Parts: sequence; structure tokens; C-alpha cells
Amino acid sequence: DQQVKQNSPSLSVQEGRISILNCDYTNSMFDYFLWYKKYPAEGPTFLISISSIKDKNEDGRFTVFLNKSAKHLSLHIVPSQPGDSAVYFCAASTLAGNQFYFGTGTSLTVIP
Amino acid sequence: KAGVTQTPRYLIKTRGQQVTLSCSPISGHRSVSWYQQTPGQGLQFLFEYFSETQRNKGNFPGRFSGRQFSNSRSEMNVSTLELGDSALYLCASSLYRVDTGELFFGEGSRLTVL
Repeated sequence: DQQVKQNSPSLSVQEGRISILNCDYTNSMFDYFLWYKKYPAEGPTFLISISSIKDKNEDGRFTVFLNKSAKHLSLHIVPSQPGDSAVYFCAASTLAGNQFYFGTGTSLTVIP
Repeated sequence: KAGVTQTPRYLIKTRGQQVTLSCSPISGHRSVSWYQQTPGQGLQFLFEYFSETQRNKGNFPGRFSGRQFSNSRSEMNVSTLELGDSALYLCASSLYRVDTGELFFGEGSRLTVL
């Protein structure tokens, strides 16, 4: 049972434009969310996080939005750069859950 | 400081064999988690260890097992390998609790079962 879903397996965006990656979850107990980026032949690396007490968190070109009522979060990358081309995973956890639940990933391609 | 180290990086086994994968966490990290990544399935949680104790286990058959040593290094073992076990196995470490901090991943061990 996939509790975290990324319904878009791939996304292509022109360099300089905005990339929006979406993630939905089913467990209302989730209260901490992260985004990871993964390049081929490398492990995922942490990008940005948000706790359920916030609805927005920014870090440079990356902003994560959380809509708890819709059980939806999104990652905005502005402006998109070719180096952002990677697979992006969203993940969620519950307090003291001792594990993260990951989505299936969205492969982002930024076209120069 | 050194990152998470996983060995071996690549290995090929045949059905019915067993395999042991190793993970050395970042120095000072006491929590080690294991994930299986397959195309279309994302990262599936296998188990998490903290101070040599398994705190949580994912929905995998008993052929998948793990352990953690006193120095926080961890191993996972898969017995009686099946074709469907072919995957990238990722190890991640974190300082204390996995639910409120980021995970630091290794580069993974790519297992191919023939």
C-alpha cells in the first residue's frame, strides 16, 4: 500500500522556467516531509524539508508547499537549471515512526 | 567527514544463493535504515536499527534480515535469492531519530540475480 504517491513519473521543463513536482499522501498522521534528489549511480541526497506546523519552506531556488487538508505537497524549483535534472523523491514520516515512506519518484529533465 | 559507505557496490548472484551487504554509517550516527529501490516502486523500507536493536521492519519476507554492530555498522542479508530481489539496496544513517531529521544515504549496492 503506497502511502506516498508521486503520480508523475517524469517532467520536462525549459531552463529558466519553474519546475513543479507534486506528491500526495494518504496517512493523516504524517507530520514531517522531505524531498530528496537522486542522480544516477548515486544515493539520494537531502534537498529540503517541512514539518506539518508550516505550509511553506524556502531554501534558495527550492520551495516546498504543504497543504494538509488536501494531503498534498509540492516542490517548486525556480529558476530551473540543467543541473537540476535528476529523480526527485518525496518522503513522509510520523512522529516516532522510525521510518520514512517514500514516493516512487519523478524524473525531472531541464532542457537547456 | 566520511559519508555512508556501502560494500560491495555491484554484485551478481544466482537464484537460491544468499548475499550479505554491508553499510558503515557516518561517524557518530547511531541509526541505520535499509531501503530497496526498484523501477516503479520507489524506495521501499526494509528495516531500521538503532544501538544494535531493530526498531522497525518493513513489509518484506523473512528472507531479508539485518543486524547492527556495536560500532553502528550494519549488514543486511538476503537468503534464497529470487529474480525479483534484483534491485539497488540503499543504506541511510541518521544521528538519532529517523523521523525528525534527514537521512544520509550511501551510493547503494546494486544486486543482480540471474
